[in-house]
Amino acid sequence: RKEVEQDPGPFNVPEGATVAFNCTYSNSASQSFFWYRQDCRKEPKLLMSVYSSGNEDGRFTAQLNRASQYISLLIRDSKLSDSATYLCVVNRGFGNEKLTFGTGTRLTIIP
Amino acid sequence: GAGVSQSPSNKVTEKGKDVELRCDPISGHTALYWYRQSLGQGLEFLIYFQGNSAPDKSGLPSDRFSAERTGGSVSTLTIQRTQQEDSAVYLCASIRQGTQGEQFFGPGTRLTVL
Repeated sequence: RKEVEQDPGPFNVPEGATVAFNCTYSNSASQSFFWYRQDCRKEPKLLMSVYSSGNEDGRFTAQLNRASQYISLLIRDSKLSDSATYLCVVNRGFGNEKLTFGTGTRLTIIP
Repeated sequence: GAGVSQSPSNKVTEKGKDVELRCDPISGHTALYWYRQSLGQGLEFLIYFQGNSAPDKSGLPSDRFSAERTGGSVSTLTIQRTQQEDSAVYLCASIRQGTQGEQFFGPGTRLTVL
């Protein structure tokens, strides 16, 4: 079983719709969680951290369920510019330790 | 300020040749990571440096791969006797001491082994 698993998609969603991605992780001792975004042929960039209480950043909401070991990302009122691959990322330890990246979920927003 | 830089941006080499990839992290970032990403695939962790030492090199796929970091700054990833399956984008990332999760990535080196 992969350490971090994501539905690869692709998700093709009309502009203005709401879309949600889930991600599961296998190591219950994992400490911190993130969503990264990667545009085509570009490097990944941090989108947002995921906190235990859930957190929101504009149109983006991230949730963490430690009991079920999954993380979610919700995008409301999707824009064409949201088209990208979304990577679920897990850190097993404290400090500057290895991040484990999921393979990503590809999202295309359709005009 | 300057971000993470990598060179070369593209490298085409013949099977069996050695290649050296360079990463220049953000100034002051103590931790440095190497990943590779094959076409349509996720990021594969290769090695992680804290300062000049490598606490975790578990991702290096074979003994043809090695990496070093000197002066707590620039890192080089060397692939000896390249094989076609080494073709990928090699990404470097750095992180500021005391932070978790926000790795700043360089633009990558696209390696093609013919």
